[in-house]
Amino acid sequence: EIVLTQSPGTLSLSPGEGATLSCRASQSVNSEYLAWYQQKPGQAPRLLIYAASSRATGIPDRFSGSGSGTDFTLTISRLEPEDFAVYYCQQYGNSPRYSFGQGTKLEIK
Amino acid sequence: EVQLMESGGGLVKAGGSLRLSCAASGFTFDTYSMAWVRQAPVRGLEWVSSITSTSSHTYYADSMKGRFTFSRDNAKNSLYLHMNSLRAEDTAVYYCVRLFNGHYDHWGQGVLVTVSS
Repeated sequence: EIVLTQSPGTLSLSPGEGATLSCRASQSVNSEYLAWYQQKPGQAPRLLIYAASSRATGIPDRFSGSGSGTDFTLTISRLEPEDFAVYYCQQYGNSPRYSFGQGTKLEIK
Repeated sequence: EVQLMESGGGLVKAGGSLRLSCAASGFTFDTYSMAWVRQAPVRGLEWVSSITSTSSHTYYADSMKGRFTFSRDNAKNSLYLHMNSLRAEDTAVYYCVRLFNGHYDHWGQGVLVTVSS
């Protein structure tokens, strides 16, 4: 079973700063099947990054993804007020077929 | 514009049944695999089930096997999740999602299912 562990659990930063969010897998993950989502209170998650580094339609270029194997990173270069939310990584594999990390809450400092 | 609209949620007693529906529009429905993902406060986001475009294959998370049945009607652009033997731990917001290459590229607004013990 592939377990995704996100760190930190909570990240406190100010608008304008950069953010680095980590997602570590218990086994190697095919980079083609690693995605990141953003969720704001009361809303459904929104796809940000797929295939580890490809931005979804309409996602600003301040969001970028990287990584391979068991270590993946979501980077937000200059935080805007609307970026403060919870971020999840997700993988597609065999067991379980799809799994999510527990989330990183990005909060305003 | 891709739209996914869930319905059918509500309050049900443990051991009871519920059927969720999802109406899809804005894309060629019968060419996409689809899925249900749920979110409970304690357990976070959890994949429930997925179905291929022609219903040839359906997959379930282990805790849902034998209790949940996922089906689709491509003529009606609709999805259905039949949930039986519901447990308190099935309480969650259930999202209808479109699948593309292993990720969920569009989500519905979600529907709340509450199972009372």
